[in-house]
Amino acid sequence: QKEVEQNSGPLSVPEGAIASLNCTYSDRGSQSFFWYRQYSGKSPELIMFIYSNGDKEDGRFTAQLNKASQYVSLLIRDSQPSDSATYLCAAQKAAGNKLTFGGGTRVLVKP
Amino acid sequence: SAVISQKPSRDICQRGTSLTIQCQVDSQVTMMFWYRQQPGQSLTLIATANQGSEATYESGFVIDKFPISRPNLTFSTLTVSNMSPEDSSIYLCSVSSGSEDTQYFGPGTRLTVL
Repeated sequence: QKEVEQNSGPLSVPEGAIASLNCTYSDRGSQSFFWYRQYSGKSPELIMFIYSNGDKEDGRFTAQLNKASQYVSLLIRDSQPSDSATYLCAAQKAAGNKLTFGGGTRVLVKP
Repeated sequence: SAVISQKPSRDICQRGTSLTIQCQVDSQVTMMFWYRQQPGQSLTLIATANQGSEATYESGFVIDKFPISRPNLTFSTLTVSNMSPEDSSIYLCSVSSGSEDTQYFGPGTRLTVL
């Protein structure tokens, strides 16, 4: 079992709709969780992070964490074609420590 | 967030040779990491570059193949030694920065081994 798992997709979403991405992790020692966006040929860019159970909102993005279920999600509201990218979920055991990445979910937003 | 640069941005190398990749940060950072992203794959951590001591390697990666230097708090190098086509990947430097130690990535080095 991989430490961090994501559906590889592609997740096809009409423009303006909500994209829902899921991530599960196996190590209960994981404390913080990160979502990165990676455009083809580019390096990952941080979207947001979460370390407390519940929801965290930043603009059109909402991260959700449920430590009991070992589940992290990312919602993208009002999806735009520019949101088409691969979204990487990562887990971290301690602040400043290494990240363990999931395989990534490819998102396609269709106009 | 810290500004990270990497050199070279890309290179094409012959098998059996070595390539050294540089990572420069515009501010002092405690933690620096080297990741590999093979074609169509996600990121895999190679090692944590420790300032003043030997790097900490992940399972499957060894110092003889991927020697790392970290002479100060703003600079690190990763060498890919005795390269084979299987080493063709993107190599990414990352640093922990900011009040919450979030991790940011450099632009990456795209390596092709023929």
